[in-house]
Amino acid sequence: GAGVSQTPSNKVTEKGKYVELRCDPISGHTALYWYRQSLGQGPEFLIYFQGTGAADDSGLPNDRFFAVRPEGSVSTLKIQRTERGDSAVYLCASSLLGQGPYEQFFGPGTRLTVL
Amino acid sequence: KQEVTQIPAALSVPEGENLVLNCSFTDSAIYNLQWFRQDPGKGLTSLLLIQSSQREQTSGRLNASLDKSSGRSTLYIAASQPGDSATYLCAPGPNSGNTPLVFGKGTRLSVIA
Repeated sequence: GAGVSQTPSNKVTEKGKYVELRCDPISGHTALYWYRQSLGQGPEFLIYFQGTGAADDSGLPNDRFFAVRPEGSVSTLKIQRTERGDSAVYLCASSLLGQGPYEQFFGPGTRLTVL
Repeated sequence: KQEVTQIPAALSVPEGENLVLNCSFTDSAIYNLQWFRQDPGKGLTSLLLIQSSQREQTSGRLNASLDKSSGRSTLYIAASQPGDSATYLCAPGPNSGNTPLVFGKGTRLSVIA
């Protein structure tokens, strides 16, 4: 596609529910990143994929958060037993792998609200 | 751990002014640095990317400079316009290249017509 797309654009859920957030990277981009942005803050790294595997998941806050990228393209961020503190904008970015300058391109984000 | 500071946190200027946004980072071992623009409720739009071997990059009315050794970057906006109103974020990329960016909190710019 022309750019990174994310669905849904908005998600409202109740505390304790399970949610899935989807990211479609730019075609041909093998590096994919998830970030989380709270109000008034810059984005914070969650997890980074090279192809199908998670190269770095050190930013995931706890084991309720999990992400997959089974075919090396679309990625899904999964949050179990959601808490009010999970409310934020979840951003996805992609870049080319293996060659500089490694510019990251961001999607529009998914705004998650946990009631 | 890389820490990024952006000054000022907010800035309001009249239309037509030239302005400078500042970004400092604690770890100078970076591969590149990106400047982004974020409109309210939207994602990030990449404005400029400076590789560590470069001193500056220009795109239209925007010019970004990088002083890697001192851990500083500036974004210069010439002849500001109301449409420039947004939050501007800088993000150095770690030395290994294709790795997660570290962001500052951004500078919220308002250009008044």
